[in-house]
Order: sequence, then C-alpha cells, then structure tokens
Amino acid sequence: TQLLEQSPQFLSIQEGENLTVYCNSSSVFSSLQWYRQEPGEGPVLLVTVVTGGEVKKLKRLTFQFGDARKDSSLHITAAQPGDTGLYLCAGAPLLAAGNKLTFGGGTRVLVKP
Amino acid sequence: EPEVTQTPSHQVTQMGQEVILRCVPISNHLYFYWYRQILGQKVEFLVSFYNNEISEKSEIFDDQFSVERPDGSNFTLKIRSTKLEDSAMYFCASSRGDLSSGANVLTFGAGSRLTVL
Repeated sequence: TQLLEQSPQFLSIQEGENLTVYCNSSSVFSSLQWYRQEPGEGPVLLVTVVTGGEVKKLKRLTFQFGDARKDSSLHITAAQPGDTGLYLCAGAPLLAAGNKLTFGGGTRVLVKP
Repeated sequence: EPEVTQTPSHQVTQMGQEVILRCVPISNHLYFYWYRQILGQKVEFLVSFYNNEISEKSEIFDDQFSVERPDGSNFTLKIRSTKLEDSAMYFCASSRGDLSSGANVLTFGAGSRLTVL
C-alpha cells in the first residue's frame, strides 16, 4: 500500500503570511493532485503535477513535484482568509489497475484576518 | 461546468438496514469511483468501475458492498446490512480515464452523508 503523509496536520497563520504544506511518500507516483475540501463538500481539484521537478502556479499558490516523484509541496504566498480550508494531496500509484488515487490525511489551514 | 451529482445528501438508517447511494457521473467519463471519509479521517478508496465491471477494490469493499450501473447515467453503491462503522461521507467520482493531460483527473461529487444508528 502506498501511503502519503501530509504535514503539518493543522496550520494557523495571520493574513499576509506565507505557508507551506508538505506531502511525502516513500513510493513513486505517476502523478500527484492537490485538492481543497470545504466542510460538507467533496474535494475540488486545484492542480495536477506529473513531471518530476515540475512547478505549477495558480495565482498565489505554488505547487512543486519532487524530482523523484515521491513528494510534493504547496506554498501559499500572502495568505488570505479565503484560503482557509482543508488541503489534500492525492497520488496516482504507478501500477493502479483501476486508476485509483491514494489520499494524504490533509492539512487544515486557518488564515486569520 | 459539468459536475458529479449525488443523492441523497444525507441518509440516516438503522443498523442492519440496506442503503443505496446514487451518483450521476459526468456524461463522457468512463471511470467511476466510490470513496469514503469517516469524520476526521482520510479520504479512502473503496472501488473503481470501468466497462461495466469492477476494475479495482480496496480491503474495505467487502461482501456487504456492491456497485452497479443500472442504466446509462446512474452509478450506485449498495451497502447490504449497515454497521455503525459504515457511518461516513461517501463520495462518488468520475474521470475520463485518458492520460492526455498527463494524469487521470477525478471530479468528485459533494458527497452523501450516511449515519447509521
């Protein structure tokens, strides 16, 4: 079973500060996706990274896939209260017959005004 | 934007009862999935379904669970005899299954909350 560990589990910062969320595994993934989940709703895709070393930017969010495709990070610059939510990473195992995703445990981010 | 729809949004049932959760995947998607999330825990894979059969299932997906695509639009998850520990949020997802974008991208529904008493 390929596991994804996210850290930290919870992060509370002031508006305007930067934050980084990490997603780590001992296994290689063919791709890694970041989702955001609001209470009572399903995960909503933010970005997919595929190539080792790849960096993608989505406004103030920067996503990086590790060179070995075992880890990823999400960096938020100048966080705003609207960034508050649960951030989930999910990896596609190299050999997944059913195209399943393995999820990390999530990082709950609270941005205080 | 196309979305995955799930019904009911919340179901309360007695232990031992059968429950059917329904999903309408995105119309041109070929892969369908069920995931569950117990309160405060990880999103866990249950089963994936392709070409009218299960393509992969987890250890959680035991004989009490079954999936079906009864027609061209619905995808259902049945729990035959619910247990207290089945209480969770159940998410349906679908994907095109192709790797043209480099990855198989899943679109999730809003979930069905199941409470077993």
